[in-house]
Amino acid sequence: QQQVKQSPQSLIVQKGGISIINCAYENTAFDYFPWYQQFPGKGPALLIAIRPDVSEKKEGRFTISFNKSAKQFSLHIMDSQPGDSATYFCAALGGSNYKLTFGKGTLLTVNP
Amino acid sequence: KAGVTQTPRYLIKTRGQQVTLSCSPISGHRSVSWYQQTPGQGLQFLFEYFSETQRNKGNFPGRFSGRQFSNSRSEMNVSTLELGDSALYLCASSFGDGDRYGYTFGSGTRLTVV
Repeated sequence: QQQVKQSPQSLIVQKGGISIINCAYENTAFDYFPWYQQFPGKGPALLIAIRPDVSEKKEGRFTISFNKSAKQFSLHIMDSQPGDSATYFCAALGGSNYKLTFGKGTLLTVNP
Repeated sequence: KAGVTQTPRYLIKTRGQQVTLSCSPISGHRSVSWYQQTPGQGLQFLFEYFSETQRNKGNFPGRFSGRQFSNSRSEMNVSTLELGDSALYLCASSFGDGDRYGYTFGSGTRLTVV
């Protein structure tokens, strides 16, 4: 059972455009929702994270939108740059365990 | 500030062998988690250690095991390797209590089983 569903699998955006990646979760015990960015040959790096008591969090060009009732959250990358080309993972954590449950990832390509 | 260090970076093993991977967490971090990353299954949780105790375990066979030492360094072992164990093995560290949300990943160990 996949507890965090991520879409799309891949995304191509022109430089300067907006990249949007969506995730949905099932476990209502989750209380922390991070996004990770991974470049080839590297481990995932924390990009931005949100807790369910807020609906939006912005850090620079990156924004998380969170809809608790729909159990969905999304990552928006404004003014996308070629250097943003990477794989992005949403994740969730919470309840009585200490593990991150990841989505399957989105390969983002930003064309110059 | 040093990050999470995983050694070795690359390994090639033969089916049936065993392998040990090492992870040194960020100084001060007491929690170490291990994840397996494959193209088909994505990132899957193996286990998490805090103060030398396993607190949580994922759905992997008993061939996968781990331990944590008093200095918080961790090792994971895979016995009787199978071709399907080929993957990138990632380690993540955090403070583990209070600020349990700050997970930092290492660059991983790429294991190839032939």
